[in-house]
Amino acid sequence: GAGVSQTPSNKVTEKGKYVELRCDPISGHTALYWYRQSLGQGPEFLIYFQGTGAADDSGLPNDRFFAVRPEGSVSTLKIQRTERGDSAVYLCASSRKVAGSYNEQFFGPGTRLTVL
Amino acid sequence: DAKTTQPTSMDCAEGRAANLPCNHSTISGNEYVYWYRQIHSQGPQYIIHGLKNNETNEMASLIITEDRKSSTLILPHATLRDTAVYYCIVRLGYTGKLIFGQGTTLQVKP
Repeated sequence: GAGVSQTPSNKVTEKGKYVELRCDPISGHTALYWYRQSLGQGPEFLIYFQGTGAADDSGLPNDRFFAVRPEGSVSTLKIQRTERGDSAVYLCASSRKVAGSYNEQFFGPGTRLTVL
Repeated sequence: DAKTTQPTSMDCAEGRAANLPCNHSTISGNEYVYWYRQIHSQGPQYIIHGLKNNETNEMASLIITEDRKSSTLILPHATLRDTAVYYCIVRLGYTGKLIFGQGTTLQVKP
């Protein structure tokens, strides 16, 4: 079946611009996660949705970052006034509850964001 | 979530077992041990998880010590395609986020 998809695969933007990154989770997965990965580092948690609501947004670095999931499926990560330090691979994952736990997270291929 | 410690890198000969260690001395009783791996330029891939019993699936085996302070991921017959960064993560089963460390870079050599 279809996995998690992310668009675009690559995004190049200029400092100060606004960007949107999209994630399509696996159908039926109620939980959706955003991570970002800088070169040579492990993925860093940003935000986690349970259905339409953000259950944990403790990883968002500042108020330039915002994410939505209005219908409980597709999610958009929005970054305002981009900075060069925002350059990274942004990963999306989804999972479903099995026996009360969210065990396996399925990751998409990521969006590589480059801020010039 | 408890912190984990892994070696930075390891080598393994193709066809041999790869044993990847992880220390998690501050793990609490209701935290699970998860292993993910990330092949170059791909998203992380779930491998296996466990609470206190040893676990085995089609990809790997997970051995957790009796005191749960450490664990070992075993790839029984490593292939070149198993070359990746392997992450050991400890988390509560009902929480969402995964906290990744630096992981172990496993290089499988012919």
